[in-house]
Amino acid sequence: QLQLQESGPGLVKPSETLSLTCTVSGDSINTNTYYWAWIRQPPGKGLEWIATFPYSGSAYYNSSLKSRVTISVDTSKTQFSLKLSSITAADTAVYYCARQWLVDYHNFMDVWGQGTTVTVSS
Amino acid sequence: DIQMTQSPSSLSASVGDRVTITCRASQTINSYLNWYQQKPGKAPKLLIYTTSSLPSGVPSRFSGSGSGTDFTLTISSLQPEDFGAFYCQQTYSTPFTFGPGTKVDIK
Repeated sequence: QLQLQESGPGLVKPSETLSLTCTVSGDSINTNTYYWAWIRQPPGKGLEWIATFPYSGSAYYNSSLKSRVTISVDTSKTQFSLKLSSITAADTAVYYCARQWLVDYHNFMDVWGQGTTVTVSS
Repeated sequence: DIQMTQSPSSLSASVGDRVTITCRASQTINSYLNWYQQKPGKAPKLLIYTTSSLPSGVPSRFSGSGSGTDFTLTISSLQPEDFGAFYCQQTYSTPFTFGPGTKVDIK
């Protein structure tokens, strides 16, 4: 059964770059059957989609974050990563990784990690 | 960007009640509408995909309907474990936006 696990620093200073990793277990990461995604949720607020990407190929980004987002996939480690640059307090959130199906007329996120909390503070 | 709205923002209902949550998109999204349930401190869980399809393991008391811009999530008989926040999400076009959520409490 597919499981996703986010990991990250917990606390990041303003203006720094946030680096998060999602470790995939129970299934292969290097398949074009589905995509992978990052989503975040500020404290007490709703969900914000960050990016969706295949293990190989073009990614889709939230235009509001695209200039600061870097996505990478490490198939040897069955991990994918998110880097978010020029961090501010507004980036404080729980960050989730998820598996996303984009097939035929379906497009949904069916498996989510438990989330990792990121606090931006000096 | 496609804006998603939900109503009500919160509700309190009794076990056994029929509960309906609506979601509206700012432009047509065909059937690219998903629903997620999130319990406090937990990750969202996929409840309904592509307007009306139930993932394996989701109880049949949950159902979804709609098309175009107006969508509905219905819980036919509310159960004690159905508390939490319910979010709709459009995946018709990027950015894949979520609704603001509907918080459901059990009376």
